[in-house]
Amino acid sequence: AQSVTQPDIHITVSEGASLELRCNYSYGATPYLFWYVQSPGQGLQLLLKYFSGDTLVQGIKGFEAEFKRSQSSFNLRKPSVHWSDAAEYFCAVGTGNTPLVFGKGTRLSVIA
Amino acid sequence: ETGVTQSPTHLIKTRGQQVTLRCSSQSGHNTVSWYQQALGQGPQFIFQYYREEENGRGNFPPRFSGLQFPNYSSELNVNALELDDSALYLCASSLGQMNTEAFFGQGTRLTVV
Repeated sequence: AQSVTQPDIHITVSEGASLELRCNYSYGATPYLFWYVQSPGQGLQLLLKYFSGDTLVQGIKGFEAEFKRSQSSFNLRKPSVHWSDAAEYFCAVGTGNTPLVFGKGTRLSVIA
Repeated sequence: ETGVTQSPTHLIKTRGQQVTLRCSSQSGHNTVSWYQQALGQGPQFIFQYYREEENGRGNFPPRFSGLQFPNYSSELNVNALELDDSALYLCASSLGQMNTEAFFGQGTRLTVV
């Protein structure tokens, strides 16, 4: 069965520092990969997605992610974090025939 | 273009009661999926409706049921509420079966007491 692992439950970074959130997946086929962000009490907003092609994907709010098939990873990065980036981040996996499977999320705190 | 809207935003129910949550899909989308997000967890797939038919179901009991209407809006019904049903219920709409790109509503926070 497919699964998504986000190894870091909580990460704290300083404003202006770089960020990398890890995501590993287990899937039998070439997956569609997604990163969503959730602010407290809110729904999910799509940051970026990978379906095929270029393995480095650009998203909104200055985020990017890189698909590494050999490592079954899809890590999210941002070169300089802003205080407004503090939120919960979810990695998700799916295909055209299966529903999204989400990781448990990584909570990002940003300190001054 | 309107996004995905859910109602109500918050709800408190008593154990054993029944609840109906509503979702209006994004304009042009014909598929609605429902997810349950317990506190501190990622969303879990409940079921999906495509063109008014159930099109896939997660590991949830039959007391979780749904409907999709001709305008592609949807309802999630939960009977015989249990304390563990307390969660954020998210609706997502997309174009086509399963997911290519799903757009989520803000969710309904259900508390069962």
